[in-house]
Amino acid sequence: LAKTTQPISMDSYEGQEVNITCSHNNIATNDYITWYQQFPSQGPRFIIQGYKTKVTNEVASLFIPADRKSSTLSLPRVSLSDTAVYYCLVGDINDMRFGAGTRLTVKP
Amino acid sequence: NAGVTQTPKFQVLKTGQSMTLQCAQDMNHNSMYWYRQDPGMGLRLIYYSASEGTTDKGEVPNGYNVSRLNKREFSLRLESAAPSQTSVYFCASSESGGYNQPQHFGDGTRLSIL
Repeated sequence: LAKTTQPISMDSYEGQEVNITCSHNNIATNDYITWYQQFPSQGPRFIIQGYKTKVTNEVASLFIPADRKSSTLSLPRVSLSDTAVYYCLVGDINDMRFGAGTRLTVKP
Repeated sequence: NAGVTQTPKFQVLKTGQSMTLQCAQDMNHNSMYWYRQDPGMGLRLIYYSASEGTTDKGEVPNGYNVSRLNKREFSLRLESAAPSQTSVYFCASSESGGYNQPQHFGDGTRLSIL
């Protein structure tokens, strides 16, 4: 059963690129890697999902190495409004766990 | 374009009281989920319904019951509320089960049990 490990917190400044890495050593062959963002007093919001290599959308990029044992969420040019908790998830319906996530604080 | 709607948004109960949290989605999703989130922690899965007519326990099911009323609605019931159940409850839905499908979340129900 895949378990994820992320840094508990990160600080950045406006305009910088932020990379949050998640390790998932036991990822299964058919597992996708999904990232969510959660603001205070709101439910999590889907950001991006990938299986291998690189995925990019209007919000973020997701880099996945060939062995798929880790993944990196990249947020380009963050702003104050990107301050949130970011969750990395892998797994199937029998192992549905959100960890504590990474609390990103963007400073002016 | 409502997505996932949860009612009520806030509720205060006394120990031993019962109540039902309601959740409805308008995206024609097959799977629905109930999570709880305690202060400073991630979400923990209480129950899920992979498809209409099925429900399964998640990580923390004790003290809760669920009903998948139809494809749109999935309710969570506390039969005898306890202070340990004070939390924020989130409902979510996805096209099919598991984390391989993105989940769409409601705004939560903030429940306090005195």
